[in-house]
Amino acid sequence: SQTIHQWPATLVQPVGSPLSLECTVEGTSNPNLYWYRQAAGRGLQLLFYSVGIGQISSEVPQNLSASRPQDRQFILSSKKLLLSDSGFYLCAWSSGSSYNSPLHFGNGTRLTVT
Amino acid sequence: SQQGEEDPQALSIQEGENATMNCSYKTSINNLQWYRQNSGRGLVHLILIRSNEREKHSGRLRVTLDTSKKSSSLLITASRAADTASYFCATTSLRGGTSYGKLTFGQGTILTVHP
Repeated sequence: SQTIHQWPATLVQPVGSPLSLECTVEGTSNPNLYWYRQAAGRGLQLLFYSVGIGQISSEVPQNLSASRPQDRQFILSSKKLLLSDSGFYLCAWSSGSSYNSPLHFGNGTRLTVT
Repeated sequence: SQQGEEDPQALSIQEGENATMNCSYKTSINNLQWYRQNSGRGLVHLILIRSNEREKHSGRLRVTLDTSKKSSSLLITASRAADTASYFCATTSLRGGTSYGKLTFGQGTILTVHP
């Protein structure tokens, strides 16, 4: 069966520090991968998606970047965090074969920038 | 702005009652999905309804889709305290023409079921 791992679960970082969040998927090949951010327990905003190794699309201009160094690994990074980067970050994957594939989410990382 | 908008924003009911949540969207869609999120956790997929379907059932869940009104509803029958969570609708747009399911989420409905 497929599983998705996301870590760390919580993170407190000072303004101006770097960030690296990692997500890995097991049990499937060539998944579509996504990073979402959720503010205040409400709607999700798509930040990045990837349909293959090294292929990253950004949905909104921001202080963050994403990379996909391996087929089932997705990394969210920042060189210098801003207060506005605080939020709940969710990684997800879906099958790349169909419009009608549901998303499977990790348990999220709660990031607090102080 | 969000593609999907849920209504109501919050719903409080007693165990055994039915819970109905509504979702409206703006553009033509390929499919509409409902997700559940327990507090502080990731989202869990509940059900997917395609644009050519009008109703779908899964256990105690019933989803309807009215593409003419650009709206959907999620009904949870005989609710339980364990159903307490946030519920989100999400859509894949017909625009874009890509093979991946890039979802746009609504703001969610917070459901509280009292024992």
